[in-house]
Amino acid sequence: AQTVTQSQPEMSVQEAETVTLSCTYDTSESDYYLFWYKQPPSRQMILVIRQEAYKQQNATENRFSVNFQKAAKSFSLKISDSQLGDAAMYFCAYRSGNNAGNMLTFGGGTRLMVKP
Amino acid sequence: GAVVSQHPSRVICKSGTSVKIECRSLDFQATTMFWYRQFPKQSLMLMATSNEGSKATYEQGVEKDKFLINHASLTLSTLTVTSAHPEDSSFYICSARGPLREKLFFGSGTQLSVL
Repeated sequence: AQTVTQSQPEMSVQEAETVTLSCTYDTSESDYYLFWYKQPPSRQMILVIRQEAYKQQNATENRFSVNFQKAAKSFSLKISDSQLGDAAMYFCAYRSGNNAGNMLTFGGGTRLMVKP
Repeated sequence: GAVVSQHPSRVICKSGTSVKIECRSLDFQATTMFWYRQFPKQSLMLMATSNEGSKATYEQGVEKDKFLINHASLTLSTLTVTSAHPEDSSFYICSARGPLREKLFFGSGTQLSVL
């Protein structure tokens, strides 16, 4: 079974600064997808960024980028120019690439606080 | 874009009653939907996978007789918490596999409080 680990229960960043959230995972599969989701106080799950395992290039979405290290099974999220609206819970998630199912396996989450 | 509607957003019920939560894909057909449960300050835990026209697949430790899942159409899956007890109080979230099968879309969640 796949597992996803987020070792930072809480992180804090100053507004306009950069912060990196850590995520490691364990899998024996070669085809899979990795995601970062944001869950604000509204509790709506919002997809931040996704990475296909077969792609070597790190995914980027505006101020959000990932550092995908496949050999190390590491998938960290970097938030640049942090904004107050970035404050939320962030979940790293794994999904198998086969068609047996599309369920997500989530990490334990990291609460990000942004200081003005 | 694909939208998943989940209702109700909040429900309070007495212990022993049953509660039904609906998850609808509004502009696409979802052959597969997923139900997650999230306890306070914890992560999302998959409860079951709901497939249209067939029985749901439950994760280990989830009581299928307590959490009834029905996926009778391509746009609707329901989760019924039967004989709810205070320990069932939690945030329940559904998600649906999108038309391109690669993306998952989440409902807005249901906060269940059992008194």
